[in-house]
Amino acid sequence: DTEVTQTPKHLVMGMTNKKSLKCEQHMGHRAMYWYKQKAKKPPELMFVYSYEKLSINESVPSRFSPECPNSSLLNLHLHALQPEDSALYLCASSQGKGGGRTEAFFGQGTRLTVV
Amino acid sequence: KNQVEQSPQSLIILEGKNCTLQCNYTVSPFSNLRWYKQDTGRGPVSLTIMTFSENTKSNGRYTATLDADTKQSSLHITASQLSDSASYICVVSADNNAGNMLTFGGGTRLMVKP
Repeated sequence: DTEVTQTPKHLVMGMTNKKSLKCEQHMGHRAMYWYKQKAKKPPELMFVYSYEKLSINESVPSRFSPECPNSSLLNLHLHALQPEDSALYLCASSQGKGGGRTEAFFGQGTRLTVV
Repeated sequence: KNQVEQSPQSLIILEGKNCTLQCNYTVSPFSNLRWYKQDTGRGPVSLTIMTFSENTKSNGRYTATLDADTKQSSLHITASQLSDSASYICVVSADNNAGNMLTFGGGTRLMVKP
């Protein structure tokens, strides 16, 4: 199983809503990532979890709250988002401290629209 | 600061033709370089992965090269097909204690026309 599964695939939410994005992998990877991607731009790193601990937070606003309940799951809790937060949110995982051939696998993304 | 630059930004070619995409990087400590194909609205899918000691890697009609001295990579697509229309992203990985830190290039948007 080399899949990273993200749910939901599409999400429309109002600015006062609370929602969560979910990401799951069963490859035994110990590093998991959230990326935000705007149209025609490369993905931008938001958070990195390494061995279930938040290791990197790229100055992301507090309306985005990550959570890593266990080594297979990664959530992104959303609250009071703005229309400019509309984007494709990608989850990825990798082996962690792996060395040269370690590869990151990406989920299919959640297309988020904030209205 | 780690950076990855790709050229051209966009490219239009006719079906059946070949093309070459370029990637220059300044990433340290270098771990590996990967080319990903990303269809619109989908997650990136890895095409090739190369470490410091590898100069070339093929995956079907895709051939990637790496020159670690000049910090340049290229992705050559032969006999292009309509399904090759996508964004191609060069991603360079630096290994540190937090995991594999990925630096993304801006991508090349390829359109293959019949």
